[in-house]
Amino acid sequence: NAGVTQTPKFQVLKTGQSMTLQCAQDMNHNSMYWYRQDPGMGLRLIYYSASEGTTDKGEVPNGYNVSRLNKREFSLRLESAAPSQTSVYFCASSEYPRGGTDTQYFGPGTRLTVL
Amino acid sequence: QKEVEQNSGPLSVPEGAIASLNCTYSDRGSQSFFWYRQYSGKSPELIMSIYSNGDKEDGRFTAQLNKASQYVSLLIRDSQPSDSATYLCAVILTVEGGGNKLTFGTGTQLKVEL
Repeated sequence: NAGVTQTPKFQVLKTGQSMTLQCAQDMNHNSMYWYRQDPGMGLRLIYYSASEGTTDKGEVPNGYNVSRLNKREFSLRLESAAPSQTSVYFCASSEYPRGGTDTQYFGPGTRLTVL
Repeated sequence: QKEVEQNSGPLSVPEGAIASLNCTYSDRGSQSFFWYRQYSGKSPELIMSIYSNGDKEDGRFTAQLNKASQYVSLLIRDSQPSDSATYLCAVILTVEGGGNKLTFGTGTQLKVEL
């Protein structure tokens, strides 16, 4: 039982490049989330998916898109990376299909640097 | 006013002492509260959840909730160097439109000194 997994662990991009961060969970959870964590800012929600087939914007969605591929997988795409998107990105999941209402379990994170 | 507030620290305590971490929140209607621990360079991991007023104990950890004062705290007894980490308070807040969101404080850095 791996829990929540994320790939890649580290990534360096140039301004304007695109990339997709992958997340998968094997806990049969309904809700999945993408956060970014910056020094002094705490964890901020980018997008979440309360159930398979649905996605909703969080606090800081600009510059990102998401896809809930199936119940297990939730990807985050940066279409045109900017230096302001340099951050640590965490994926999380929770059991209930209402998004943000119960305990969340986090993946190991992706450290992204945009030059 | 921030929705979930924590003192950023660092909070330094000697080994074996009690560490007290505090958190206040803005939404009087909040019902669910969580404490996460995050080691440097790692992801947050859940330590405790608390839903009712009063104390909840789990080993060396005690969570305390006072909804009237909109205050939740985490006590760590017999602090160990391995407890040195950032502790994140998280609260499920009600948002406009009737939904809910788990909102994190910015965390308190705890240092347990030998």
